[in-house]
Amino acid sequence: NAGVTQTPKFRVLKTGQSMTLLCAQDMNHEYMYWYRQDPGMGLRLIHYSVGEGTTAKGEVPDGYNVSRLKKQNFLLGLESAAPSQTSVYFCASRLTWPRGSNQPQHFGDGTRLSIL
Amino acid sequence: KQEVTQIPAALSVPEGENLVLNCSFTDSAIYNLQWFRQDPGKGLTSLLLIQSSQREQTSGRLNASLDKSSGRSTLYIAASQPGDSATYLCAVMDSNYQLIWGAGTKLIIKP
Repeated sequence: NAGVTQTPKFRVLKTGQSMTLLCAQDMNHEYMYWYRQDPGMGLRLIHYSVGEGTTAKGEVPDGYNVSRLKKQNFLLGLESAAPSQTSVYFCASRLTWPRGSNQPQHFGDGTRLSIL
Repeated sequence: KQEVTQIPAALSVPEGENLVLNCSFTDSAIYNLQWFRQDPGKGLTSLLLIQSSQREQTSGRLNASLDKSSGRSTLYIAASQPGDSATYLCAVMDSNYQLIWGAGTKLIIKP
């Protein structure tokens, strides 16, 4: 059981380049999330999805786009990378049943992204 | 706006000691409070989830308490071991069903 898998694990980009981070989960979870983690700060929600074909903005959505064409995959795109987007990106997923909002989130191992 | 604070930012204790990690939040309108563990270079692992109607949850040597009225939670670790070394994060689920995170406490258990 792989759980939540993020690819790639590391990436270095130049300012202005674009890329897509992939998150895949094999637990049939409805909800999926993208967070960023910066030193000395808590995780911040970028975008999330409550089901296939749906996406919504989180706390820090600017500069990012997402898509959820299949239930098991959640993609995070950077259209024109900026140094301020240097961070560690985490994907998470969770069930909504049987305990609704009291289901814990399951996390991938993260993608370390540096923008030069 | 909900804010979550964890104090201290780092803690180093000898093996075998019992210890307490603190988490405070500014808005008592929460659905739950969750404690996670993060190992270097790894993702987060859920440790305990306390629903808003509960006062505490226990798992093995871990016990988490919740006092909504005062905006506080503690994570108690009994008989600490070197393998407990990690960063511990707390998060509260707010009225929009989003998790608001603290910055974490980095714990080092010295053999």
